Amino acid sequence: QSALTQPASVSGSPGQSITISCTGTSSDVGAYNYVSWYQQHPGKAPKLMIYDVSNRPSGISNRFSGSKSGNTASLTISGLQAEDEADYYCSSYTSSSTWVFGGGTKLTVL
Amino acid sequence: QLQLQESGPGLVKPSETLSLTCTVSGGSITSSDYYWGWIRQPPGGGPEWIGNIHQSGTTYYNPSLKSRVAISVDTPRNQFSLRLSSVTAADTAVYYCTRRRAYSAYRDYWGQGTLVTVSS
Repeated sequence: QSALTQPASVSGSPGQSITISCTGTSSDVGAYNYVSWYQQHPGKAPKLMIYDVSNRPSGISNRFSGSKSGNTASLTISGLQAEDEADYYCSSYTSSSTWVFGGGTKLTVL
Repeated sequence: QLQLQESGPGLVKPSETLSLTCTVSGGSITSSDYYWGWIRQPPGGGPEWIGNIHQSGTTYYNPSLKSRVAISVDTPRNQFSLRLSSVTAADTAVYYCTRRRAYSAYRDYWGQGTLVTVSS
């Protein structure tokens, strides 16, 4: 199983919006609405930010939103804040009953 | 509040077996509502799913690791464990234990992670 494809890095200024893409195949991202997004600060464990494409867990800011079109899912962060600077990973369930992750995107808040 | 904590050796020799334990506190590992699992992340890389186990004993493994992996549950101790045999330098990673709600596809709780280095 191949990893999902994410841009290596994105950047934005405070207050701006950014979008991180996550491209898979018709066997994973395109097959199910089971895409999740995780935020990871250096030296910390990943933290769930979005599940089932567009749902936010309790306590997650509504500045974080998710969507999907075909084989590509997207995470959008609006009103960028300094604390949003982190690595972001997408994950999807697959038709082989396994899970696959993306290679990660480093978000820099300028 | 649920907490997961990994424990085990931080250094394993090539060809030997990596063994880690995850201790669950603040909740019962015997709940049928959850799957418990392991995910690893190599230095500078993305996470990789290793496998899951249900309190019933049902296991699911990454096909790329299946021949070398075993996950088990110790319900009296509220722990679950990972064994990965015949390790090489490619198995060097931070290993996380996680919880996944049944009928869902996301991990809502993660341990803090433990770095395991494979080196002689």
